[in-house]
Amino acid sequence: QKEVEQNSGPLSVPEGAIASLNCTYSDRGSQSFFWYRQYSGKSPELIMFIYSNGDKEDGRFTAQLNKASQYVSLLIRDSQPSDSATYLCAVIGDKIIFGKGTRLHILP
Amino acid sequence: NAGVTQTPKFQVLKTGQSMTLQCAQDMNHNSMYWYRQDPGMGLRLIYYSASEGTTDKGEVPNGYNVSRLNKREFSLRLESAAPSQTSVYFCASSSKSDFYSNQPQHFGDGTRLSIL
Repeated sequence: QKEVEQNSGPLSVPEGAIASLNCTYSDRGSQSFFWYRQYSGKSPELIMFIYSNGDKEDGRFTAQLNKASQYVSLLIRDSQPSDSATYLCAVIGDKIIFGKGTRLHILP
Repeated sequence: NAGVTQTPKFQVLKTGQSMTLQCAQDMNHNSMYWYRQDPGMGLRLIYYSASEGTTDKGEVPNGYNVSRLNKREFSLRLESAAPSQTSVYFCASSSKSDFYSNQPQHFGDGTRLSIL
């Protein structure tokens, strides 16, 4: 059974600090990796995607991929209260699998 | 820009009733998807359509049927609703036809469906 694992949280981070969200996956053939943000009662919205090992930065967000260790992470710098949401990791191998999400709470 | 539009936003059905969830996108995307999201279960793919005229099963297709009416529209039908189908249903689209492509997806606002 191919799986994508995320810590459900809640992960509490002080405003202005770095929030670190992690995701591990079991399918070594996975090719594409996505992070979505989902506010309560809303639809998921794409934050970052990454295909190659290493880091990818976009504004306050950095996605990190390590295929050898089968994990992908999302760093949020200078965390803001508006970053409080559930973050979904999605992995595409021979099928698309979503993790169950990590709830992030930014403390003002 | 409407993006991905789903109707209805809310629906309550009785066990055994049928209904169709509608989805339309105005981004000229090739691929469309139906997901369900349940508490503690994450998003699960029900069906997808890589292009007009094609549909394929996802992770949880039982109890559902789909129709890719044209490039814009992709509907999901529950023929005989069951309480286990109570969920939030999301439609999504992406520009490439290859399901395993690197193209990220755009989601609609969801349909909240309750089966009594």
